[in-house]
Amino acid sequence: QTVVTQEPSLTVSPGGTVTLTCASSTGAVTSGYYPNWFQQKPGQAPRALIYSTSNKHSWTPARFSGSLLGGKAALTLSGVQPEDEAEYYCLLYYGGAYWVFGGGTKLTVL
Amino acid sequence: QVTLKESGPVLVKPTETLTLTCTVSGFSLSNARMGVSWIRQPPGKALEWLAHIFSNDEKSYSTSLKSRLTISKDTSKSQVVLTMTNMDPVDTATYYCARQQNYYGSGSYHQNFDYWGQGTLVTVSS
Repeated sequence: QTVVTQEPSLTVSPGGTVTLTCASSTGAVTSGYYPNWFQQKPGQAPRALIYSTSNKHSWTPARFSGSLLGGKAALTLSGVQPEDEAEYYCLLYYGGAYWVFGGGTKLTVL
Repeated sequence: QVTLKESGPVLVKPTETLTLTCTVSGFSLSNARMGVSWIRQPPGKALEWLAHIFSNDEKSYSTSLKSRLTISKDTSKSQVVLTMTNMDPVDTATYYCARQQNYYGSGSYHQNFDYWGQGTLVTVSS
């Protein structure tokens, strides 16, 4: 059973910087896992933020960036805004054509 | 404008089979770059990827639910259908469909889950 692990919760001050990570039980996450990141606010469907590790959608705010960091996929928010308070999910691709979501990170802006 | 919309029963009984339909617009299911996944989210819990269908009709399933799931598509109707057999109360969740693009761009291969439906809540109860 493949498990994708994210920090359950993180807190950041407005204007600050925070990095969320996404680890795989199978080993180091590489670009071949095509990490996708999503933001979900209460009562809403997830919204896509990042694909293929570091690529932004046209609607993704510039303060969001994706990378690989220490064998994990990472999502960094720089200059956090109050509206960034949300749950964030990563999604990894595994050869054989299946995907696994992480357990999500609840980001609090305080 | 790309949209996806899930439809299906709000309530199903234990042991019944769930059939959900994702109706898409703004793109074609026959486009070689396009695929559609089904994802679910139990109340207060994390997202769970369930199944995917590619433009060439290739299918993939969650390893833990593979025996219960079937995904199919009707390109002429712009619909992707998911069936899940032997429903149980633990299958109570909001079910989403999402578009995925696979393509080469800027010298790299990309997988891009971009647009999602609004989701449909399915409750399993007798």
